[in-house]
Amino acid sequence: NAGVMQNPRHLVRRRGQEARLRCSPMKGHSHVYWYRQLPEEGLKFMVYLQKENIIDESGMPKERFSAEFPKEGPSILRIQQVVRGDSAAYFCASSPNRGTYNEQFFGPGTRLTVL
Amino acid sequence: DAKTTQPNSMESNEEEPVHLPCNHSTISGTDYIHWYRQLPSQGPEYVIHGLTSNVNNRMASLAIAEDRKSSTLILHRATLRDAAVYYCILPGLGNTGTASKLTFGTGTRLQVTL
Repeated sequence: NAGVMQNPRHLVRRRGQEARLRCSPMKGHSHVYWYRQLPEEGLKFMVYLQKENIIDESGMPKERFSAEFPKEGPSILRIQQVVRGDSAAYFCASSPNRGTYNEQFFGPGTRLTVL
Repeated sequence: DAKTTQPNSMESNEEEPVHLPCNHSTISGTDYIHWYRQLPSQGPEYVIHGLTSNVNNRMASLAIAEDRKSSTLILHRATLRDAAVYYCILPGLGNTGTASKLTFGTGTRLQVTL
């Protein structure tokens, strides 16, 4: 069973461009979470999605950031008009729905560099 | 989520046991105690979780105080590959009634030396 897959692993964008980060959850997992880790800082929750629904977006910046998890295909984290402060490692995690406890499985991350 | 407090860093010699403490004095009765770790340049990795009783798995043991206000992650024989930042997390329950987001603090950076 393949783990959580993220691509690209490294992404370089110039200021003002768009960044699209993709996450394929583990097989059978219908819950996806996105986290951001700024340089030398801890991980911060961004958004939690189930198939076709956003469950909790309390950690998402109000502007330029959006996320989706369509019925078919990977989850996408989209950052419009990137700025240097968006440079960070973005991690995706997935979990099954097993009741009151859900272990999260993390991908290797996408390292975004904004020039 | 309930707040956790961990030492910033700890050191251990290889092949010796390591006890990583975590204080969570505001824990509620339904909070599970989770531990994750993050190796350099990698995504976080689940280690272990528990509610009231001590727990063991192939990676580690989790000792939970009787009043549940603190817990200790035990690595029985540290190796160089255990060098990582260890996070103690109490995720609580989201509005769907299941554990949801993880709130990572600063964790404990474990250094393992030969």
